[in-house]
Amino acid sequence: NAGVTQTPKFQVLKTGQSMTLQCAQDMNHEYMSWYRQDPGMGLRLIHYSVGAGITDQGEVPNGYNVSRSTTEDFPLRLLSAAPSQTSVYFCASSYSRVASSNQPQHFGDGTRLSIL
Amino acid sequence: GENVGLHLPTLSVQEGDNSIINCAYSNSASDYFIWYKQESGKGPQFIIDIRSNMDKRQGQRVTVLLNKTVKHLSLQIAATQPGDSAVYFCAETFSGSARQLTFGSGTQLTVLP
Repeated sequence: NAGVTQTPKFQVLKTGQSMTLQCAQDMNHEYMSWYRQDPGMGLRLIHYSVGAGITDQGEVPNGYNVSRSTTEDFPLRLLSAAPSQTSVYFCASSYSRVASSNQPQHFGDGTRLSIL
Repeated sequence: GENVGLHLPTLSVQEGDNSIINCAYSNSASDYFIWYKQESGKGPQFIIDIRSNMDKRQGQRVTVLLNKTVKHLSLQIAATQPGDSAVYFCAETFSGSARQLTFGSGTQLTVLP
């Protein structure tokens, strides 16, 4: 089982460039989300989706766009990269909004992004 | 405990000993808590959860304790093994938050041979 697959694993960008972080899951999960993880801080929610065609903002959405055209894919777009967006980005999926021991939230292995 | 600074709290234990990792959560309305394990270079992995109507829950080699009075959560790992070396963090949520999770920053557990 592939689970949650994120690409690329590493990326270096220059300020002002745009790019898309890819996330795909093969578990038929309805709920998908994007987090960023910064040193010494907890994961912070950027955007999430409760199903195909539905997206909503999380705690730190500025500078990022998402779309959910299929159940499997949930790409995250950086519109104009800034050094403050240097971070590790994690995509996660689950059957429902609330994870549980029977239906836990699955995370990808992250994309490490540096903005110069 | 949790730390919002740049450096994670660390805990070093001898292989075979028990580990206790603490978490102070912020919201007295939180009613569901999760512990995650994150190995270097990997995404977080669900370990165990607990609802606020419980004060203890046990899994395989792990126990979570919840003290709502002081808003404190702990994760106990029995007979710690080298493979337990990782960052551990807690997350909390409540129904009024649209069930969004608030994550702690974590504790780095190192298991010594």
